[in-house]
Amino acid sequence: GQQVMQIPQYQHVQEGEDFTTYCNSSTTLSNIQWYKQRPGGHPVFLIQLVKSGEVKKQKRLTFQFGEAKKNSSLHITATQTTDVGTYFCSKTSYDKVIFGPGTSLSVIP
Amino acid sequence: DAGVTQSPTHLIKTRGQHVTLRCSPISGHKSVSWYQQVLGQGPQFIFQYYEKEERGRGNFPDRFSARQFPNYSSELNVNALLLGDSALYLCASSPSGGGPQPQHFGDGTRLSIL
Repeated sequence: GQQVMQIPQYQHVQEGEDFTTYCNSSTTLSNIQWYKQRPGGHPVFLIQLVKSGEVKKQKRLTFQFGEAKKNSSLHITATQTTDVGTYFCSKTSYDKVIFGPGTSLSVIP
Repeated sequence: DAGVTQSPTHLIKTRGQHVTLRCSPISGHKSVSWYQQVLGQGPQFIFQYYEKEERGRGNFPDRFSARQFPNYSSELNVNALLLGDSALYLCASSPSGGGPQPQHFGDGTRLSIL
């Protein structure tokens, strides 16, 4: 009911290729946040989206919030080895913060 | 400025024991949240505290409890430890308790139950 789903679970790309992870919810989201967790590290906040259809960019990263506010995506252009890690989306619902299962990205040099 | 600090970094306990984990938020942050992260999964929300009051609770049994002190630091207590409690326990702080805010995470406490 309150879960957020992410696909794919794993992604292996050649350095320089693009990467996209998708976050989906069965209910309308008031907001979505994206985090990155490096292996052995802790989640680090990347961005928050709140508006329908919103698109935000951070260098090679592009974040989108769906028009219906039920899905979001993170796209990385020309991946680098520094992009390795697990990318999580999360939502806040009734004072609970719910994280998706994450997409683990491996970059082959 | 110091980030979120957690102690201890690692802890080994046996079944049935209890444990107390500690967290100091970023200076100026008044909200602290606790998460449990099992290997290969996303963080699972346990509690949020703001101004010393519980603001949110996840789906965890009553063996899990927490509190926040006047200086905004926080403790997570877990009683009657089970093997399944083995996980990374993360603390996160944010400036206030109102609405969705970026969570600033500490490095976590790795708890192992034997």
